[in-house]
Amino acid sequence: EAGVVQSPRYKIIEKKQPVAFWCNPISGHNTLYWYRQNLGQGPELLIRYENEEAVDDSQLPKDRFSAERLKGVDSTLKIQPAELGDSAVYLCASSFGETSGGRETQYFGPGTRLLVL
Amino acid sequence: AQSVTQLGSHVSVSEGALVLLRCNYSSSVPPYLFWYVQYPNQGLQLLLKYTTGATLVKGINGFEAEFKKSETSFHLTKPSAHMSDAAEYFCAVSGRGTGNQFYFGTGTSLTVIP
Repeated sequence: EAGVVQSPRYKIIEKKQPVAFWCNPISGHNTLYWYRQNLGQGPELLIRYENEEAVDDSQLPKDRFSAERLKGVDSTLKIQPAELGDSAVYLCASSFGETSGGRETQYFGPGTRLLVL
Repeated sequence: AQSVTQLGSHVSVSEGALVLLRCNYSSSVPPYLFWYVQYPNQGLQLLLKYTTGATLVKGINGFEAEFKKSETSFHLTKPSAHMSDAAEYFCAVSGRGTGNQFYFGTGTSLTVIP
């Protein structure tokens, strides 16, 4: 069974440019997460989807970040415009179960490493 | 709200020696606890998790962790380190309510010395 797929794996852009990341979760997983991982830190949640609904986006910088999961399967995270401080690894994860109370394992993709120059 | 603290951002052990990575959590009720490993340029992979039942949890690659409520700890151990264990290890906590938000620690980088 395929794991969580993310693309691109690496992206280098200049500041003020837009950038988008794509994630395809494990088949059947209805919960999808986007995390940002800064160098030397643990992942921090940006947004969580239950099917196509964003149920927790409190940590998403909405002035420049947006996300969508239109059909409740794959998802796109966008930054426009990018800033130097956005350089990080962007991780996508998925899990099965909406109301399992947090015990369901999250499965992570390899991440997209973004460098903003 | 939940949080985790990982003591020691860098740990070095000799090959064959005991591995001990420390994790303490803060939560008003016993949470769900997880250990993940991250190899260079890869995503996080689950090592083990505690949800309920037996407090000593065995995971993959010979790792285990023990949930100690009195100490609010969930330390990760392995009796004998292998070179392949060198990686970044993250402890995470999740609440028992609806939703599934994980809070990760800052990670511990494990170096195995031959």
